[in-house]
This record gives sequence, C-alpha cells and structure tokens, in this order.
Amino acid sequence: QLVLTQSPSASASLGASVKLTCTLSSGHSRYAIAWHQQQPEKGPRYLMILNSDGSHTKGDGIPDRFTGSTSGAERYLTISSLQSEDEAAYYCQTWATGTLVFGGGTSLTVL
Amino acid sequence: QVQLVESGGGVVQPGRSLRLSCAASGFTFSSYGMHWVRQAPGKGLEWVAVIWSDGSEEYYADSVEGRFTVSRDNSKNTLYLQMNSLIVEDTAVYYCGRWFGQVVDYWGQGTLVSVSS
Repeated sequence: QLVLTQSPSASASLGASVKLTCTLSSGHSRYAIAWHQQQPEKGPRYLMILNSDGSHTKGDGIPDRFTGSTSGAERYLTISSLQSEDEAAYYCQTWATGTLVFGGGTSLTVL
Repeated sequence: QVQLVESGGGVVQPGRSLRLSCAASGFTFSSYGMHWVRQAPGKGLEWVAVIWSDGSEEYYADSVEGRFTVSRDNSKNTLYLQMNSLIVEDTAVYYCGRWFGQVVDYWGQGTLVSVSS
C-alpha cells in the first residue's frame, strides 16, 4: 500500500533553514511527489514536483528559498532564510491509479 | 492567470444533499483532469474524487463511493461535486484542484460544508 509519512511538527528560527521529510512506503521509492504549502486559513499552494532522481520543478512564483532533494525513499523540502510567512503546514502528495495520496502534513513553526 | 473558485457549501442536515461547483478560468479547462480534495476541521488533506479531462473516467475515495458524484461541463468551464446522503463525517472544507501530470498544480480557496442536525 502506498503511504506517505511526515513528522507532525517542526520548528526553526527566523532566517535559518529547515529540512522537512516525506517518506515513501516500502516498494515505492521511485515515485515522484509534490510538496504543497498551506498557510493558516488558506487553501493549499503547490510548491514543486520532486522526482526520484532529485530533480524538481517549481510552481509559478515559488521563491528560490524552496528546494527539493531525494535520498532513496525519502523526499525533502528545504526552506532557507526562513520568513514569518513560511509558518504553515506542508503536505507531500503522490498519486496512483487515478487517486491522490497525501502525507499527514508537517506543521512548521517559525520561532 | 489560473483561477479556481468553489461555491455551494453550507450547513445541511444528515441525509440531505448538496452540490458544489468549481468555476475555472485562465486555462483550457477541457484539457485537464480535475480533483476534489477535502479537509476536515483541524485535519489534513483527504482526496475525494477525480474526473478525466473529457469526463470519460471517474474515481472516488472509499469513504464517498456510491454517495458522491463528480461531473463537469466543459462548455461552462465548471466542475461539480454532487453529494448525497451526507453524514457528519463529511464536514470539511472542499477544494478543487487542477491535475497536471502526477500532481495538483493549482488549488481553489475552498468552500465549507457543515453537516449537522
């Protein structure tokens, strides 16, 4: 079964960097994923698609501070030079046979 | 620019029906599959349904199969979600999303459905 696992919470200081992790279930390490950001009281916003080889393509207007990387079954989202507006929930997402699969989300606090 | 605007949410009693709409603009609507995704209060994102660009195929989450129907009118650039036999657990903000490759690359702002007696 295709499952995406994320840590429920993370925190980092203003101006610092943070690396969020999304782990694909066993047997699915070659799947691409997408990262989405959801600021409080807003709809989600697509950040990027991240392939198994680490290549990624960002959505319209996504700053260079957001980058993606890969190691085996793990997919990472790194946010550098953290700003207050980066405080949000971050969801990874993939798909299989017509269905979308979401991770549980990581709530990021900017200290 | 791409815009997706949901409407039709509200408060409804258990067992009743509701139809959501998603008005699309800024892109060729008939060329894209579309998803519905929901978010219960304080919870994460849950996929609900997908429809192919030409409406030829639909898939549903087990939790809504047989109760919800997704459809689209490409002449009106509008996506729909017909929700029947609503239960309390359907309470959520419902988002429509444009399907590009393997991902949703644009989202609407959502419409709130509250099922309560």
